[in-house]
Amino acid sequence: DAKTTQPPSMDCAEGRAANLPCNHSTISGNEYVYWYRQIHSQGPQYIIHGLKNNETNEMASLIITEDRKSSTLILPHATLRDTAVYYCIVRVGSGSARQLTFGSGTQLTVLP
Amino acid sequence: GAVVSQHPSWVICKSGTSVKIECRSLDFQATTMFWYRQFPKQSLMLMATSNEGSKATYEQGVEKDKFLINHASLTLSTLTVTSAHPEDSSFYICSARDPWSNQPQHFGDGTRLSIL
Repeated sequence: DAKTTQPPSMDCAEGRAANLPCNHSTISGNEYVYWYRQIHSQGPQYIIHGLKNNETNEMASLIITEDRKSSTLILPHATLRDTAVYYCIVRVGSGSARQLTFGSGTQLTVLP
Repeated sequence: GAVVSQHPSWVICKSGTSVKIECRSLDFQATTMFWYRQFPKQSLMLMATSNEGSKATYEQGVEKDKFLINHASLTLSTLTVTSAHPEDSSFYICSARDPWSNQPQHFGDGTRLSIL
């Protein structure tokens, strides 16, 4: 699976949009981009995933560049409860039973 | 959506005790489940892949006799930390996905294990 690079930490003001970048320059054509987050002392929570088109759900939006070498997770109106470590993971196949490999992630702190 | 339940959420026990952690898929059947370990301020590290009806596959450096995995049914995998010692204290997390749907992998809430 392709390696990802994320900034170690970011701050965001409550109510503002949080934009979390992820670089995956070695991604291959059949690899999806997944985003999970982990709130302190809990298991990771699925947020969103995509292949090449932008995706949106009730939690967030995922913007993938045309060359697919990077992506951005957008939390449109961050709240204090969005403070967590956000993991960008690249992996083959949305239906794959393979494990997810976690990098260091980005610690997002939402400030009041 | 798919839900993974893990029990217990935390356990404290004496050194030398064996501890069993359960991972259940609540509304789907999982032929494969994954066990991760997370030390403080670190990311999740895969320990082993639990396969229903067959032996688990362990990652390099993980002792299979130390961390016993049983996946006897399609909805339950157990991880037993045998003769636990303080260095085994960690946050253990399981995950699974419904292989017959497009649902992503879901994770349990983790088990905080503290060995005194």
